[in-house]
Amino acid sequence: EIVLTQSPGTLSLSPGERATLSCRASQSVSSSYLAWYQQKPGQAPRLLIYGASSRATGIPDRFSGSGSGTDFTLTISRLEPEDFAVYYCQQYGSSPTFGQGTKVEIK
Amino acid sequence: QVTLRESGPALVKPTQTLTLTCTFSGFSLSTSGMCVSWIRQPPGKALEWLALIDWDDDKYYSTSLKTRLTISKDTSKNQVVLTMTNMDPVDTATYYCARFSSPNGMDVWGQGTTVTVSS
Repeated sequence: EIVLTQSPGTLSLSPGERATLSCRASQSVSSSYLAWYQQKPGQAPRLLIYGASSRATGIPDRFSGSGSGTDFTLTISRLEPEDFAVYYCQQYGSSPTFGQGTKVEIK
Repeated sequence: QVTLRESGPALVKPTQTLTLTCTFSGFSLSTSGMCVSWIRQPPGKALEWLALIDWDDDKYYSTSLKTRLTISKDTSKNQVVLTMTNMDPVDTATYYCARFSSPNGMDVWGQGTTVTVSS
């Protein structure tokens, strides 16, 4: 089973700032089958990025994903008020697994 | 429009078997490459993948839970059913189903159903 480790656990930033979230895999993720999800309190997760760098339908271009192999990054170029949430990475190249999440909170 | 909706009991007793149903619309589980997955989230904790069934009726399970899980589909009813045996209070969680296709990830989720395990 591939273990995903997200860092940091919590990111305290102000609106307008840049957010950089990391996801590290215990072994290489095949074909960059890495996704990022956003979850707000009381809501289901929402797909942001798939295939490590492709934005899902309707996702603003301030969200971008990068990386390959074992190291992946989600970047939010300028935080909007609605972006404060928990973010999860997920690999689906083999039996799917999720990271433990990064909370982006208002500073 | 693609939608999924989970249904099942809100409360189960320890040792009982949980049966959850995912009813979906807007896509067919007969289409090549299409899958439905189950995921759960204990209160205040991270997401945990449970099981997946694909268009070809292949089934995949979480390594840690596979002895307790069974996933099945009824293509004619657009439903996927998950059963989990020997429920325990640590299984208290919100259970989600989601459409999954490779390489697109889990692109549409249900709203989730909360299951509490308590005597």
